[in-house]
Amino acid sequence: EVQLAESGGGLVQPGGSLRLSCAASGFTFSSYGMNWVRQAPRKGLEWVSGISADGDDTYYADSVKGRFTISRDNSRNTLYLQVNSLRAEDTAIYYCAKTAIGGSYWYFDIWGRGTLVTVSS
Amino acid sequence: EITLTQSPATLSVSPGERATLSCRATQGFNQNLAWYQQKPGQVPRLLIYGASTRATGIPARFSGSGSGPEFTLTISNLQSEDFALYYCQQYTNWPLTFGGGTKVEI
Repeated sequence: EVQLAESGGGLVQPGGSLRLSCAASGFTFSSYGMNWVRQAPRKGLEWVSGISADGDDTYYADSVKGRFTISRDNSRNTLYLQVNSLRAEDTAIYYCAKTAIGGSYWYFDIWGRGTLVTVSS
Repeated sequence: EITLTQSPATLSVSPGERATLSCRATQGFNQNLAWYQQKPGQVPRLLIYGASTRATGIPARFSGSGSGPEFTLTISNLQSEDFALYYCQQYTNWPLTFGGGTKVEI
């Protein structure tokens, strides 16, 4: 079964940092682009960041550029998101999402359950 | 950045009726548009990609149409399980963007 399992969320003070992880199973992780999508409480979906299958290309939303860093370890089937300089508006559930097919079609067929990041003093 | 505007924000319909959801982009593009359904407490589920292709396991009552900048998701013969939030997403340009969502309610 194809699965994504996020971890690493929690309560952090403004200006703080966290490292989110997403463990993948049930598919050839190294063949697919991967993404982070977040959802603030009672709000819509916001794409945060994406990374190509080989990790060479990374993409960011303007709202997180310079503060968040996406990476992957294909030997461990794991996706990461390093989140720094956190702000209250970064409070959200962070979902890991698999790109449906390889190549340049970046829509998402598998989503994890999400990990909650709360930024508050 | 391509901004997607979904309308209406809320759509009130009855079971058995048809719902028509709109997603309008700030610029024209090809058919690199997807639709997702999200129910309360659940993760989003892919419904449509390529503007009109149903994802695996999605019932035929869900159909997508259009090309940039105007796209439509139609749900025919609404079932009780279809009452949910629906989002469109473009994947033609970086950054990827989602629409603000349409809530389909009874």
